[in-house]
Amino acid sequence: GAVVSQHPSRVICKSGTSVKIECRSLDFQATTMFWYRQFPKQSLMLMATSNEGSKATYEQGVEKDKFLINHASLTLSTLTVTSAHPEDSSFYICSARDRLTSTGELFFGEGSRLTVL
Amino acid sequence: QKEVEQNSGPLSVPEGAIASLNCTYSDRGSQSFFWYRQYSGKSPELIMSIYSNGDKEDGRFTAQLNKASQYVSLLIRDSQPSDSATYLCAVNHSGYSTLTFGKGTMLLVSP
Repeated sequence: GAVVSQHPSRVICKSGTSVKIECRSLDFQATTMFWYRQFPKQSLMLMATSNEGSKATYEQGVEKDKFLINHASLTLSTLTVTSAHPEDSSFYICSARDRLTSTGELFFGEGSRLTVL
Repeated sequence: QKEVEQNSGPLSVPEGAIASLNCTYSDRGSQSFFWYRQYSGKSPELIMSIYSNGDKEDGRFTAQLNKASQYVSLLIRDSQPSDSATYLCAVNHSGYSTLTFGKGTMLLVSP
């Protein structure tokens, strides 16, 4: 299957700082990438849809000014958690779809575990 | 509203048995169906996809789709302890939207 690389896999930061997470499609181009958040023992929660060259679409209840998404190329999307607080500690996962396929499967990055102290 | 329902489990089976995981979906326009496996602390991994009614086999895994009943299932033959994970059912209505995920079924395979 297609490979999606996510970095960093783990990050610990102090409250009030900003953290950037990168998501790259390594062997395909993705016009759309998706960002999810998952709290322990809970299901995936879609945060936003990242569109190459345009503004991201955020799900209801997700603060766009806090979770900044940039999708500058067909292979890279970034999520920046601004002014992080302990309640932002979670597992953040990106996924991408190959723009050349129409079958709809998503491929996931390895995830980034954020701990805010 | 598109919904995907799964029994949260845990589903416990002994090693070597067949594990049967089930999923129902609400949107009749759904076209593509996927099963992902997620180990604890890891991200989901695509293990099966199915697009038409019937069965699709891949190694020990068989996906079954019944669009009339809006039902999709995953059978795991000769279950191994390494199959212990949460299995997510995902449904796609169109090729240009995200997938709708079920909450997942936890499978426990005991040695």
